[in-house]
Amino acid sequence: SQQGEEDPQALSIQEGENATMNCSYKTSINNLQWYRQNSGRGLVHLILIRSNEREKHSGRLRVTLDTSKKSSSLLITASRAADTASYFCTINTDKLIFGTGTRLQVFP
Amino acid sequence: ETGVTQSPTHLIKTRGQQVTLRCSSQSGHNTVSWYQQALGQGPQFIFQYYREEENGRGNFPPRFSGLQFPNYSSELNVNALELDDSALYLCASSRIAGGRYTGELFFGEGSRLTVL
Repeated sequence: SQQGEEDPQALSIQEGENATMNCSYKTSINNLQWYRQNSGRGLVHLILIRSNEREKHSGRLRVTLDTSKKSSSLLITASRAADTASYFCTINTDKLIFGTGTRLQVFP
Repeated sequence: ETGVTQSPTHLIKTRGQQVTLRCSSQSGHNTVSWYQQALGQGPQFIFQYYREEENGRGNFPPRFSGLQFPNYSSELNVNALELDDSALYLCASSRIAGGRYTGELFFGEGSRLTVL
């Protein structure tokens, strides 16, 4: 399968807590990307991590990549209600294919 | 704002009708991909256009067709609409150089199609 699979399917936390979601894939990759989608809107690119990188930060986001386990994780620190959205990972092939995502709910 | 615009934002059709959705890609991008997203699901890849030709297709029947124009804008056409075609249709632009993606996809806000 040329896509990433996100886990868990749904996650509910309180504001201020950290949120961790995971992505697994089956093929070799050049890079892995995470996207966010607010309800009914377009997807927004969050971060891209290349296969030779192990960790990358962007603001409150931290992404790790373990190519030996074919997995990645996205950590959102000090979550806010505005982080409520669906999060998708996708791996770099010639077409970007998306899984079903993780639905994150952050309660105020 | 991604610079990718889609029209119309909402539309309602009846079974059997045909629909055309439009997408203007971000400046400097030469590739347009279309996705169908049913409620509660992830985006499903329909097809991609590069240099005005179809450059890959997902598991969608031939009644889903598209065009890319010299200015890299694109259309998605769906004939003989079925109830299950009701979904959010997303367009995304990107840049391919040397046969590979050079970065991320930039998505429009989508066209929500309801088929009655």
